[in-house]
Amino acid sequence: GENVEQHPSTLSVQEGDSAVIKCTYSDSASNYFPWYKQELGKRPQLIIDIRSNVGEKKDQRIAVTLNKTAKHFSLHITETQPEDSAVYFCAASIQGDSNYQLIWGAGTKLIIKP
Amino acid sequence: DAGVIQSPRHEVTEMGQEVTLRCKPISGHNSLFWYRQTMMRGLELLIYFNNNVPIDDSGMPEDRFSAKMPNASFSTLKIQPSEPRDSAVYFCASSLSGQGDSPLHFGNGTRLTVT
Repeated sequence: GENVEQHPSTLSVQEGDSAVIKCTYSDSASNYFPWYKQELGKRPQLIIDIRSNVGEKKDQRIAVTLNKTAKHFSLHITETQPEDSAVYFCAASIQGDSNYQLIWGAGTKLIIKP
Repeated sequence: DAGVIQSPRHEVTEMGQEVTLRCKPISGHNSLFWYRQTMMRGLELLIYFNNNVPIDDSGMPEDRFSAKMPNASFSTLKIQPSEPRDSAVYFCASSLSGQGDSPLHFGNGTRLTVT
């Protein structure tokens, strides 16, 4: 079955620097890759997603890149701010598959140092 | 839009007791999901429903767990009898459709502690 690996498990960066979180997936049929952010004590929330027909997507300070050949995708956060501190989860699924299969990464705890 | 509403927010119970968690999905969403989150196992999908029908319950850990969705606006997750290892945060989420690319909207979760 599908497997999603996420690295690193913890990432500490200085405020203002960039942060990169990487995920790899095993099922080449996967074509939808969302990223969720979970602040401490709160619920996961979708922050950005990408489909396999594009290689990169940006939304202000966050961007996601996808390498289908290598089967990995990454989350990039630029000019990090204290409010970016959270756990970030990547996931992969097959768009249009009626048998829902969203496979989650284990999460990355991002710490922004002041 | 009030979002996905879960109750209670916190539940503390003794081992052996029955626990019922409740969820009201976003109106118009056709799919509902129950997740469990722990430090050790991360986010685990327990069961999901499409149009009130259970589609995949392979994530339900044991027969002690059961879930129902009697109508489009309400679902329950029941644990009977509860055990200390069931302690976790239980999230309910809904999405517009059961398709793999439909974003999930999570509730605020129920933190369950079984002593």
